[in-house]
Amino acid sequence: DTAVSQTPKYLVTQMGNDKSIKCEQNLGHDTMYWYKQDSKKFLKIMFSYNNKELIINETVPNRFSPKSPDKAHLNLHINSLELGDSAVYFCASSQLNRGTEQYFGPGTRLTVT
Amino acid sequence: SQQGEEDPQALSIQEGENATMNCSYKTSINNLQWYRQNSGRGLVHLILIRSNEREKHSGRLRVTLDTSKKSSSLLITASRAADTASYFCAAGGTSYGKLTFGQGTILTVHP
Repeated sequence: DTAVSQTPKYLVTQMGNDKSIKCEQNLGHDTMYWYKQDSKKFLKIMFSYNNKELIINETVPNRFSPKSPDKAHLNLHINSLELGDSAVYFCASSQLNRGTEQYFGPGTRLTVT
Repeated sequence: SQQGEEDPQALSIQEGENATMNCSYKTSINNLQWYRQNSGRGLVHLILIRSNEREKHSGRLRVTLDTSKKSSSLLITASRAADTASYFCAAGGTSYGKLTFGQGTILTVHP
């Protein structure tokens, strides 16, 4: 069974479109995260939710909106996509919201043309 | 500027040799973690060392932490071709679970 899953794995879309990426974890963790990995492999946190409550919100354009319907799911919606949004987006989860290892999903490669 | 900067950026060794990667960070931490990423895959957690620990072992992995120098090192002993991957250190901050990742070290182990 996949611990942290993301859909879709690949997403190719045009500038200006709106798209969503879904994430689910079956580990029973309370905390989930979204990271962005750029073309130079630099990985940066975007958001974190603990029990459906937003606890980390880095300097991310407000075109990005996370939504957590329950603690097992954390989705990422992106409005008005731009070329610079092209990256690999990773979802992760952890048992506690501090001081523990994080489990990562396989990533969603977003390409904006 | 980012925390968790790593050195070297790329490392190429032969199977059986040891590989050492270094990481520096800039602010106070709760813990320091190391992750591996195989090409096209997600990150896999390797080891976590807390700020009050100096050294930790897990199988062929040895991690050290020097909080006075704000640095950590990851040693992989008796490397295998399957260890070929990118290795990232991540500084665990004192608030929530925020991890600040370094640029990573690309390790290539030749059979």
